[in-house]
Amino acid sequence: SQQGEEDPQALSIQEGENATMNCSYKTSINNLQWYRQNSGRGLVHLILIRSNEREKHSGRLRVTLDTSKKSSSLLITASRAADTASYFCATDVGGDDKIIFGKGTRLHILP
Amino acid sequence: DGGITQSPKYLFRKEGQNVTLSCEQNLNHDAMYWYRQDPGQGLRLIYYSQIVNDFQKGDIAEGYSVSREKKESFPLTVTSAQKNPTAFYLCASSILAASGTEAFFGQGTRLTVV
Repeated sequence: SQQGEEDPQALSIQEGENATMNCSYKTSINNLQWYRQNSGRGLVHLILIRSNEREKHSGRLRVTLDTSKKSSSLLITASRAADTASYFCATDVGGDDKIIFGKGTRLHILP
Repeated sequence: DGGITQSPKYLFRKEGQNVTLSCEQNLNHDAMYWYRQDPGQGLRLIYYSQIVNDFQKGDIAEGYSVSREKKESFPLTVTSAQKNPTAFYLCASSILAASGTEAFFGQGTRLTVV
C-alpha cells in the first residue's frame, strides 16, 4: 500500500516560475523526506523534515509539513531546465523502519 | 568512495529462471531496502532489512527472496514465481528510517524477461 500520494501527477511550467508539489500520507510519521529521480537513475535525497518541524529550507527548496492534515508540500523557486525530473515524498511508518514512497510528480520545465 | 552499488545495470531473464540482483554498500548502514519501479510509477517496497540475518516483507514480496548474511550486502532473487518481473529495481540503505536519516540509492538494475 502506498503511504504517500503526490499531487499533481505531472506538472509543466516555464523556466523561472515556481513549482509546487504536494504529498499526503495516511499514518503517523517520524519524518518525511523528498527525493528527486532523473529518468532511469537512482533517487537522490533532497530534504528531510521531522514531525515536530513545520517548515524547512534548502537553497531553492522549501518544504512544509502539516501533521494535522497529514500533508507536505515541496516548493522549487526560480525553476531551471535542470530541475526536470520526478519528485517523490517518502515517509517512515511510525514505529517501523520501512520507508514508503509515493507515486511521484513528474516535473517538466519548459525553456 | 562510500556508496551503494547495484549490479548488473541491465539483466535479461528467460521465463522460468531465477535471477539474483546484487546490492552492496560500504556506508556502514544498518538498514537496506529493495524497491520495484514500473514505468511512470512510484517505488513499491519488496523487502527490507534492519539488521544482519533479519529481514521483513514489504508490500509486494511474493515471488522474491532476499538474504542478509553480511551488513554490507543485500541480494535480491527474483524467482520464477514472480509472474511479471520486468521492472526497474532499486536498492537503498540508511542508518535507520525512524532515526530520521536519508536513504542512499544505487543506480538501479533494469530487469527484462525475454
